[in-house]
This record gives sequence, structure tokens and C-alpha cells, in this order.
Amino acid sequence: SAVISQKPSRDICQRGTSLTIQCQVDSQVTMMFWYRQQPGQSLTLIATANQGSEATYESGFVIDKFPISRPNLTFSTLTVSNMSPEDSSIYLCSVLEGPGELFFGEGSRLTVL
Amino acid sequence: GNSVTQMEGPVTLSEEAFLTINCTYTATGYPSLFWYVQYPGEGLQLLLKATKADDKGSNKGFEATYRKETTSFHLEKGSVQVSDSAVYFCALRRSNDYKLSFGAGTTVTVRA
Repeated sequence: SAVISQKPSRDICQRGTSLTIQCQVDSQVTMMFWYRQQPGQSLTLIATANQGSEATYESGFVIDKFPISRPNLTFSTLTVSNMSPEDSSIYLCSVLEGPGELFFGEGSRLTVL
Repeated sequence: GNSVTQMEGPVTLSEEAFLTINCTYTATGYPSLFWYVQYPGEGLQLLLKATKADDKGSNKGFEATYRKETTSFHLEKGSVQVSDSAVYFCALRRSNDYKLSFGAGTTVTVRA
């Protein structure tokens, strides 16, 4: 399976600032996704990162708050903008491989003070 | 819509005990079903999967059988170890989609 690396692995940020999370895959993948895991909760899909075009966002998530880039088939970024404590979560990059299996990065744990 | 309902946790067991985590789903068509595991401080890992009715997924001593008649995909392990302490997520993927719908997760703690 692809090796998925996320940076940063964790960060503590101040309210009102923005943070960009990077996801690097060691092979070309067609589909990449960003998920959020709020404390003690399950995973929620934020958006599908589309190569060379705008991301496809799920209900409840908007581009202004979570801008996503995907310049090529191995890399994507997720920015959490104008952060508030409610944005404290683990953000996970995932890729689709093989017969429809999703693989995940180790996640970026974000704490907003 | 699609949804996954998992047994609520937390679950605390002794080593070598039998573990069952119930998972039922609601979906149209014939979804694929998955169990993911999240060890402390780590990301999600695919544990096992089943893509059609009566399929049995297995890995690391864990098993789950896709039961369409009961819309279930219960996870079982006959003899747990301390290293099995983790959060377990049941998930489904519709046959015409790539998105996963996750259950709430079940925290399992195994004591020596």
C-alpha cells in the first residue's frame, strides 16, 4: 500500500490563525480525501481533493473555511482557516487504492487555544 | 441514507477473553464493509474487509462475516491480547461511491 505522510503531526495554534496541513503520498493516486475526527468522535469526510480542479466539499464544509489544494497526483494540502477551539481535531488524509480500499495517514492533531 | 451503528463502548476485557463488537448497517444496494483500527497515538489502519454477502474478512486473529439478512458485520476475536487495545471503527462504502461512512467507534481496553 501507499505510504502516506502528513505534516505537521501535531500543532497548537491560537484562535483566529490558519494552519496548512500537508499530505504526501509515495505513489500516484487518483483519489485523495480529507477527514476530520473531533475528540471522542468518529470520522467525518470534509472533501475530496481533485487534481487540478476545485475540491468537492461535503455538506457542512465550505471552501472558505477549509481550502484544499491538489497540484499533482501525490500531494495535497488542507488549510484550516480562522481557527476556533471547535476546530480542535485530528485531520486525516486518505487515499483510495486497489479494489476500493481507503488508506489513511497518521493524522495531524490540531489544538486551538 | 447510509449509516453504521456500532456497539457502544468502552469495552474492558482481560487477556485471552473473547471479544465481540457489534456493527449493523443501513444502506441501499450492496455496500462493502470494513473494520478499521486506531491504536493509541496512531492513525487508522484497515483491519479487514468484506465486499459481498457471506464473505468473511480476517486478519490478526480478528474475523467478521458480512450478513446481509441481518445487515450486520460483527467483529470477533477469540483470545485478545493487551496489544489489541485500540479504537475499532466499522465502516461501509456504497457500491457506486468511494466515500466511507464510519460508525462512532468502540474503545477496547485489554488488561493483563
